[in-house]
Amino acid sequence: DVQLVESGGGLVQPGGSQRLSCEVSRFTFSNYWMHWVRQAPGKGPVWVARINHDGSSTNYADSVRGRFIISRDNAKNTLYLQMSSLRVEDTAVYSCARAGLRHDSPAYYLDSWGQGALVTVSS
Amino acid sequence: SYVLTQPPSVSVAPGETARIACGGDNIESKSVHWYQQKSGQAPVLVIFYDSDRPSGSPERFSGSNSGNTATLTISRVEAGDEADYYCQVWDTSSDLIFGGGTKLTVL
Repeated sequence: DVQLVESGGGLVQPGGSQRLSCEVSRFTFSNYWMHWVRQAPGKGPVWVARINHDGSSTNYADSVRGRFIISRDNAKNTLYLQMSSLRVEDTAVYSCARAGLRHDSPAYYLDSWGQGALVTVSS
Repeated sequence: SYVLTQPPSVSVAPGETARIACGGDNIESKSVHWYQQKSGQAPVLVIFYDSDRPSGSPERFSGSNSGNTATLTISRVEAGDEADYYCQVWDTSSDLIFGGGTKLTVL
């Protein structure tokens, strides 16, 4: 089975920075687009960012654009989310997820998710 | 930006059929995907491209999309189907958009 394991969560002060990692296994990482999605406590998923298979194209939700950076290291099978200028409202479980494929091309649904890493922004 | 609207809750007795709606402007022009999230667990894809089932998703799960409403239908509901369900589409301005979720309660 596909595995995605997030790490790097924790408590951070408002205005601070945090980097999340997502180590994947049991699939060819470099073939897939990847996403970060977050869920505030008791709320539904909210899309955060997306990166294409080789890292040459990214996109961000308006709420994080300019503050978060998604990147990947295909040699290390790892996805990253660098978060800066963190706000209280960024408090959430952050999950990495693999984009599905349709006719061997990237599709806009998520076929595998990690369990997530909790980021708490509080003073 | 595009908005997906789901009822907060749906209740159904075991063995009955549950229908969870996902409303959006002309949603039939978009591909709708559905996720199941059980308490404390990661979301799991149960329907993609309106009505396709990924491997591992029970045949009891089906989907449809017409007009302004997409529907996830769960036949012969079991206690283990109790979960939150989210619809999702892609939009040019916002990439992935999720509905607010529907809590399915099995009575």
